[in-house]
Amino acid sequence: GDSVTQMEGPVTLSEEAFLTINCTYTATGYPSLFWYVQYPGEGLQLLLKATKADDKGSNKGFEATYRKETTSFHLEKGSVQVSDSAVYFCALLGQAGTALIFGKGTTLSVSS
Amino acid sequence: NAGVTQTPKFQVLKTGQSMTLQCAQDMNHNSMYWYRQDPGMGLRLIYYSASEGTTDKGEVPNGYNVSRLNKREFSLRLESAAPSQTSVYFCASRVDRRNEKLFFGSGTQLSVL
Repeated sequence: GDSVTQMEGPVTLSEEAFLTINCTYTATGYPSLFWYVQYPGEGLQLLLKATKADDKGSNKGFEATYRKETTSFHLEKGSVQVSDSAVYFCALLGQAGTALIFGKGTTLSVSS
Repeated sequence: NAGVTQTPKFQVLKTGQSMTLQCAQDMNHNSMYWYRQDPGMGLRLIYYSASEGTTDKGEVPNGYNVSRLNKREFSLRLESAAPSQTSVYFCASRVDRRNEKLFFGSGTQLSVL
């Protein structure tokens, strides 16, 4: 079945460092791909998405490119801030469109 | 804008007790979901309702039942709680199967002793 694998955390960075969180997926056909973010004590919020190969999703300085040849959707940000500290989830929606499938989440901690 | 509202926010149960987690959305969404979040496991789908009047099992349905009471409300029931059901439960909704964006409630933290 469809699945998402993302890098284990926690990831600890200093402010203004470059961030990469790896995400790969297994799915039949052409899924849509997402990054969700969860701030402490809150539910998840959509951060960005890409619905077809080579699409780049972007929001709040974060970017991710849908790479079908490597089945990847890595999250990047050029300069992280303390306020980016959160748990990041990679997710996919398969062609059946039933429900989102989430990775296990990666905790990011940014210190000043 | 209330969005997705879950009650209660916190609950402690004893093994064998029953309870119902409530979820309501005010966005006129057709599809609603229940996930559980556990450390190191991410979010796992328990049950979902693609539209009013339908419900289907997700990845981890055992020990749970759901009711789509109307278009707004989707409840999750634990008939006989077990310690393995200690988790944070999230309700979510989206417009329909063609719209990917999922809106989440703020969660219910449940402890079963």
